[in-house]
Amino acid sequence: GQNIDQPTEMTATEGAIVQINCTYQTSGFNGLFWYQQHAGEAPTFLSYNVLDGLEEKGRFSSFLSRSKGYSYLLLKELQMKDSASYLCAVNNAGNMLTFGGGTRLMVKP
Amino acid sequence: DTGVSQDPRHKITKRGQNVTFRCDPISEHNRLYWYRQTLGQGPEFLTYFQNEAQLEKSRLLSDRFSAERPKGSFSTLEIQRTEQGDSAMYLCASSLGRDEQYFGPGTRLTVT
Repeated sequence: GQNIDQPTEMTATEGAIVQINCTYQTSGFNGLFWYQQHAGEAPTFLSYNVLDGLEEKGRFSSFLSRSKGYSYLLLKELQMKDSASYLCAVNNAGNMLTFGGGTRLMVKP
Repeated sequence: DTGVSQDPRHKITKRGQNVTFRCDPISEHNRLYWYRQTLGQGPEFLTYFQNEAQLEKSRLLSDRFSAERPKGSFSTLEIQRTEQGDSAMYLCASSLGRDEQYFGPGTRLTVT
């Protein structure tokens, strides 16, 4: 079966750093994606990890450990506009994406 | 705008009616996906096309759901005899091979 877990909600302060964790158990693995979704809008692509390690892209970084079935998304220098849901998704060998329930991040001044 | 587009953006229908949604992917993308998302949840995979071939269907996709991509470009998703449980956001995404998927704005379906 497929199981992807991430916290439901997180709160952080503007200018701070926040780490959103994701653990997964899937029948196949062909990479892990992070998407950002603002309320009422479509998910937008943030990052992709297929090998172990850290991928950095501006204020956002994503880490993967395949042996542990674990990933995190790190957001630095938080801005109010970063308030959104963050979706962890695994691409299994069949090419479809299996999404977690999303982590709703609230950035406070 | 060269992104993924979906039509309509909102649809309200009565239970038992049929509805059809359209998705236009990014033009050079050969893969097209349909997902369903309910409030507070992540998207759930429904089906996927590579060019015009429908290669995978979720067990979530009951017999009332059918999708087509006749010329390997746009796709339609039809729901027959809608039920209240079908109320959701229907998202379309496209990709070039196994690259990241780009999502459209979605069609929000409300079944009354």
